[in-house]
Amino acid sequence: DGGITQSPKYLFRKEGQNVTLSCEQNLNHDAMYWYRQDPGQGLRLIYYSQIVNDFQKGDIAEGYSVSREKKESFPLTVTSAQKNPTAFYLCAAAGGGTDTQYFGPGTRLTVL
Amino acid sequence: AQSVTQPDIHITVSEGASLELRCNYSYGATPYLFWYVQSPGQGLQLLLKYFSGDTLVQGIKGFEAEFKRSQSSFNLRKPSVHWSDAAEYFCAVVWRDTGRRALTFGSGTRLQVQP
Repeated sequence: DGGITQSPKYLFRKEGQNVTLSCEQNLNHDAMYWYRQDPGQGLRLIYYSQIVNDFQKGDIAEGYSVSREKKESFPLTVTSAQKNPTAFYLCAAAGGGTDTQYFGPGTRLTVL
Repeated sequence: AQSVTQPDIHITVSEGASLELRCNYSYGATPYLFWYVQSPGQGLQLLLKYFSGDTLVQGIKGFEAEFKRSQSSFNLRKPSVHWSDAAEYFCAVVWRDTGRRALTFGSGTRLQVQP
């Protein structure tokens, strides 16, 4: 079954700890994206990657880091430098040159 | 700056009534346009998209949207709403000429359906 998986669904961390969110896709799509969603603000772009071993900052990259070592995987690390990390994080993938993005189910991160 | 506006934060309609959700975008270049739907605590599901050609596009679940270049709009419509349509709806845009191949989202419209 093709799709995008994000794990875990819920994540709790103490303030000051780094945490890594997983995103895996078996759609064979070249591009992958990370968005953050806060109530009433829609989705905001954190990082995106058009190809393996390359990625670009989005609108709110400060306090986050990514890697793209494999086509299937695009993990997001929320560092202690992120001032307000509690949010819903969504991963997406796009391919075939269409820019049509398909989304994973999301990870809700709560920093205590 | 490029932006997407959904002027209605919250809309309530009766089941069986028609629906129109508004979306306007800034910036002059021809965009790729999308509508997504999100149920609480879930990811986003693609409803429909417009790249070029016929300005009226059909999507899943009986939704359609019309691209009006003169008004910079891409409004979503459904002739008869079902209770299961209650969700949050997002309009999103990719501006093809900017080199940034990522979505810019509106802030969303929450749809409530009354029985």
